[in-house]
Amino acid sequence: KNQVEQSPQSLIILEGKNCTLQCNYTVSPFSNLRWYKQDTGRGPVSLTIMTFSENTKSNGRYTATLDADTKQSSLHITASQLSDSASYICVVSLQVAYKYIFGTGTRLKVLA
Amino acid sequence: NAGVTQTPKFRVLKTGQSMTLLCAQDMNHEYMYWYRQDPGMGLRLIHYSVGEGTTAKGEVPDGYNVSRLKKQNFLLGLESAAPSQTSVYFCASTPGAYSNQPQHFGDGTRLSIL
Repeated sequence: KNQVEQSPQSLIILEGKNCTLQCNYTVSPFSNLRWYKQDTGRGPVSLTIMTFSENTKSNGRYTATLDADTKQSSLHITASQLSDSASYICVVSLQVAYKYIFGTGTRLKVLA
Repeated sequence: NAGVTQTPKFRVLKTGQSMTLLCAQDMNHEYMYWYRQDPGMGLRLIHYSVGEGTTAKGEVPDGYNVSRLKKQNFLLGLESAAPSQTSVYFCASTPGAYSNQPQHFGDGTRLSIL
């Protein structure tokens, strides 16, 4: 069964600190892995997209890594800001045009 | 550039009532999707469309119908609303098949069925 599991479910950190979110997947046939940020009351917004051959991709203070051998990905947030408070969703795209497997997300709260 | 716009943003229905959720995109995307988001679960695909005039069932299609009469619009209908359909509904779009482009999401419709 195609699955995407994220950990932790929730996380609280102080402003300025770094954090790492985890994503493990069992999806086949794999096409690419995406990280989305979802602010409360809003739709998900894309942060990064990585294909099988990409190990790392950055978007400002967000850096995603992908290990296709172990089927793990991480999202590292550097020097967190209050505006980083959101849910972060890991999504794996299959080699089928419409097929995306969504994780349940990690809810991040950044405190001043 | 509005992207993906969903209307209405909030709605409360009584069991058995019907309604239509509207999704409009201005990016000339071919593919459009309807998802529902429930607590503790990942987004689940209800229906999708690969182009104007086409629709197909997703993972959880029962109780919903869709139409894509115009390329820019994708409508989701609830024929006879049930409490189990209380959820947040998201519309998304992508340029086409096998694309490494991100899905663009609307801001959702929060629907409560009493």
